[in-house]
Amino acid sequence: DVVMTQSPLSLPVTLGQPASISCRSSQSLVYSDGVTYLNWFQQRPGQSPRRLIYKLSNRDSGVPDRFSGSGSGADFTLTISRVEAEDLGVYYCMQGTHWPITFGQGTRLEIK
Amino acid sequence: EVQLVESGGGLVKPGGSLRVSCAASGFSFSDAWMNWVRQAPGKGLEWVGRIKSITDGGTVDYAAPVKGRFTISREDSKKTLFLQMNSLQSEDTAVYYCMAEDKYWGQGTLVTVSS
Repeated sequence: DVVMTQSPLSLPVTLGQPASISCRSSQSLVYSDGVTYLNWFQQRPGQSPRRLIYKLSNRDSGVPDRFSGSGSGADFTLTISRVEAEDLGVYYCMQGTHWPITFGQGTRLEIK
Repeated sequence: EVQLVESGGGLVKPGGSLRVSCAASGFSFSDAWMNWVRQAPGKGLEWVGRIKSITDGGTVDYAAPVKGRFTISREDSKKTLFLQMNSLQSEDTAVYYCMAEDKYWGQGTLVTVSS
């Protein structure tokens, strides 16, 4: 199975400041069609996960443009340009390139 | 508006069985690849399994921890996804979510395995 490793696992942030979460996979996530099937999800306290980013860097509709996804191969980053209070929660990367689908351990974004 | 509503969770004894459902609306259910994902209390997300659309073969895949014990099925006429869970163990205690097309999630249903 592809292992997804996120860092840090806990990220204290100051409101209005940027934040970045790293996700590394144990093998390349580039599929045979050239697409990187790497998604990012946000889970606010007490809520279901919500997808923010799909196929590496595409933002879902309704997702603020302060969220962006980047990376290549096996090394990926979710960046929040300016953290707002509503961004607090746990963030997960997920790969859909290789079977079975696997998630990272999650990164908890909290107020410093 | 896309809606996924899980139901059927509850308390079951070790070794017991339970079937949970996911009722879908607001999108083309018959064309969607549907997944079950679970989250143990205070833990991260774990993919359980997936069923492809009938037009894509209807193939079902399972994660290793549940293979042989869990069965995923779908009834497209009723826009409903099912997860039949047998030989349940305490490690199966979790909130079970259905996820459509790697994007849409339901609110989850809690399954507790305990004597």
